[in-house]
Amino acid sequence: DVKVTQSSRYLVKRTGEKVFLECVQDMDHENMFWYRQDPGLGLRLIYFSYDVKMKEKGDIPEGYSVSREKKERFSLILESASTNQTSMYLCASRPEFSGEVISGYTFGSGTRLTVV
Amino acid sequence: DAKTTQPPSMDCAEGRAANLPCNHSTISGNEYVYWYRQIHSQGPQYIIHGLKNNETNEMASLIITEDRKSSTLILPHATLRDTAVYYCIVRVVANAGKSTFGDGTTLTVKP
Repeated sequence: DVKVTQSSRYLVKRTGEKVFLECVQDMDHENMFWYRQDPGLGLRLIYFSYDVKMKEKGDIPEGYSVSREKKERFSLILESASTNQTSMYLCASRPEFSGEVISGYTFGSGTRLTVV
Repeated sequence: DAKTTQPPSMDCAEGRAANLPCNHSTISGNEYVYWYRQIHSQGPQYIIHGLKNNETNEMASLIITEDRKSSTLILPHATLRDTAVYYCIVRVVANAGKSTFGDGTTLTVKP
């Protein structure tokens, strides 16, 4: 069963800590994404990557960075965690577009991060 | 990507068809309509997508109006396990990641 795995389901960190959220996919997908989900705001795109070592800013990249050293792994980094980064973080992947049809995203189960 | 509008919530009786509408009046010719759902505490799950023809798979049917300005996701026989938030998004083919998920429709299936 193919899937996207996020390393932690729940995480509690202190303000100012550096936080790493890990995501691994086993589908050999080229594209990977990090979203955060907050009540009333829906899913918002933070960063995405379309190839190893390539990254692009999404809609809300401030306060975050990413790393994609290997195709299967996409890490989200909070350089100095703040309370307004308390949220549900979702990782997703999908294959590269080829031809007419483009596949949907496959999402991980999410990491609920609380910054205190 | 075009913006979508969905009702915030809907109820459906178990065993009946659930029809979830989505407006995307600014959709452009090369944008696909995608539907996802998110069951509580899980990541979103892909359901179906289409360009202009109606589509059906094992999970649902997608009806797209002829002018493509709106669509309807149909769950033919809703079960309690279909209770979830349903997201409609439109996306340019080969768009690398600029999909925006709005608040979606919370579907509650009641026994």
